[in-house]
Amino acid sequence: AQSVTQPDIHITVSEGASLELRCNYSYGATPYLFWYVQSPGQGLQLLLKYFSGDTLVQGIKGFEAEFKRSQSSFNLRKPSVHWSDAAEYFCAVGPYGGSQGNLIFGKGTKLSVKP
Amino acid sequence: ETGVTQSPTHLIKTRGQQVTLRCSSQSGHNTVSWYQQALGQGPQFIFQYYREEENGRGNFPPRFSGLQFPNYSSELNVNALELDDSALYLCASRTDEGRNSPLHFGNGTRLTVT
Repeated sequence: AQSVTQPDIHITVSEGASLELRCNYSYGATPYLFWYVQSPGQGLQLLLKYFSGDTLVQGIKGFEAEFKRSQSSFNLRKPSVHWSDAAEYFCAVGPYGGSQGNLIFGKGTKLSVKP
Repeated sequence: ETGVTQSPTHLIKTRGQQVTLRCSSQSGHNTVSWYQQALGQGPQFIFQYYREEENGRGNFPPRFSGLQFPNYSSELNVNALELDDSALYLCASRTDEGRNSPLHFGNGTRLTVT
């Protein structure tokens, strides 16, 4: 079955500390992988995506993610967290070469940032 | 600002009623998808429309239906509302079927069924 697992429901980090959010996927074909961020009362904003090529992907707001096929993982990282990064983060997978519209999302990781 | 506008922002309905949620996308966004996000969960794909035709559907019953109009607006209709339909409903659109065209999400409609 196709699925996305985000093992951490809630993470708290101090401002300025590094961050890694975990994402594992199960997908029968070559996946397209995405990270989205959702602030309270808002829709989803795309942080970055991986289709092919370089397995280290740079995104907006200083985020990056690394695709590891052998581990079926696509972890999100940021070297130094800012208080404005507090939000919920969703990893998603979609069909290769097909529509991005029918994405499968994980349950999300809520990030809190301590001053 | 994503250019995707959803209305209303909040809605309260009674079990058994019908509801219509609306989405207005940017010009040229021929593909629109709808997602249901229950509290504490990730979004779940309901269906997708491309040039006014449904071209993909998730695991949702037929009482969830949609329409897409030539003016880049769309609707999600839910009949015979159930308590479990309470959720945030997200509309997302993009320009074409190409893989590099990103999805733009609206801020959603919060539906409460009592």
